[in-house]
Parts: sequence; structure tokens; C-alpha cells
Amino acid sequence: AQTVTQSQPEMSVQEAETVTLSCTYDTSESDYYLFWYKQPPSRQMILVIRQEAYKQQNATENRFSVNFQKAAKSFSLKISDSQLGDAAMYFCAYRSRWGGAQKLVFGQGTRLTINP
Amino acid sequence: NAGVTQTPKFQVLKTGQSMTLQCAQDMNHEYMSWYRQDPGMGLRLIHYSVGAGITDQGEVPNGYNVSRSTTEDFPLRLLSAAPSQTSVYFCASRPVQENPRLSTQYFGPGTRLTVL
Repeated sequence: AQTVTQSQPEMSVQEAETVTLSCTYDTSESDYYLFWYKQPPSRQMILVIRQEAYKQQNATENRFSVNFQKAAKSFSLKISDSQLGDAAMYFCAYRSRWGGAQKLVFGQGTRLTINP
Repeated sequence: NAGVTQTPKFQVLKTGQSMTLQCAQDMNHEYMSWYRQDPGMGLRLIHYSVGAGITDQGEVPNGYNVSRSTTEDFPLRLLSAAPSQTSVYFCASRPVQENPRLSTQYFGPGTRLTVL
């Protein structure tokens, strides 16, 4: 079974600075998706960024980028120019691409605080 | 296009009571799922469905029933609520087809359930 681990329960950063959230996963599959979700106090789950495992190029979405290291099974999220609105719980998630339930497997989450 | 909707937003039950959490989506997605989120943990899959008339168990199915009579609706039933079912419940949907552009899962706003 796949597992996702986020080893940083909490992180904080000064507004306008850069922060990196860590995520590692375990799988025997070669083709899969990885996601970062943001959950603000409203509890809504918001997709931040997505990475297909077969793509070597790291995904980017404006101020958000990932460092995808497939061999190391690492998938970190970098937030540049942090803004107060980035404060939230961030979840890393894995999903198989083929077969089975194709469920999302989530990490435990990292609570990000932005200091003004 | 309302996306994924869930009702109610909040619910308090007494032990042994039954209730149904409603979930609906208007995107014609085949795949729908229910997750629960407990403090300090990521979301865990309860049940999922790949189409009308087809359901299957996820990681934590005990105490919950589901049915899928239409593409749009995927209700979650608690037949005899227990305090261990106190949690936040999320419904999600996505297309089944393996188009990377459509691999994103859409989440509802969540239902906070308390069982006394």
C-alpha cells in the first residue's frame, strides 16, 4: 500500500519570503500522480499543484513550484513571495494512475503560518 | 455549475441515531468518493463509486453505507452513529478517463459531524 509522509507538522515564514514544505511517499508503482492541496480555515480542499510521475519537469503554478525527485520519492512544495493568504494546512497526496480504487492517499498535513 | 455540494454543513447527533450526508455534483463525473478528516491526520477514504450502481469500500468503511442510483448523487449513511464517527466529512468527484488534464479531484466544502 502507498503511504505519504509529511514530517513537518508546522512551519512558519515571514511574509514575502520563501518556504519549502516537505513530502515523501512510498510506492512500488512507476506511474502515478502527486498533488499538493491547501486547506484554509474554511475547510475547503483547494488544489495547489499537480505532478504526473512520468514527467521529469517540475510543475509550477505562479508562486508555487515543486521539486519532484522520483528516485528519492520526494515531492516538496516551494512557495515564493509568501502572502498572508497562503496561511493554511497543506496536504501532500498520492494517487495511482491505473486500476483499483485510485484513491487519494494523504499525508498528515503541515500547518503553515505567515508572519506579517 | 455549482461543482460539488454537500449538506448539511454542520450536524450534531446522539449515539445510535442515524442520518444521511448528502453529496451532489453537476459536472457529470463518474468517480465520486467520501473521505473523513480527523485531527492530525490526512483525509481517509470511506467509500467510492466509479459510476451509477457501482460502489466499493475504501480504507475505513465500517459504520457507513453508500449507494449510487444516479451519476449526480452519492449519499453517505450512518445507520447507528458512534462518537468515533465525529469528524469532518468530504465528498469528492472527478472524471474516470485517464486524461492527465482531468485527473484533478474536486472536493465539496465538507460536513462537520459531532456524535455525542
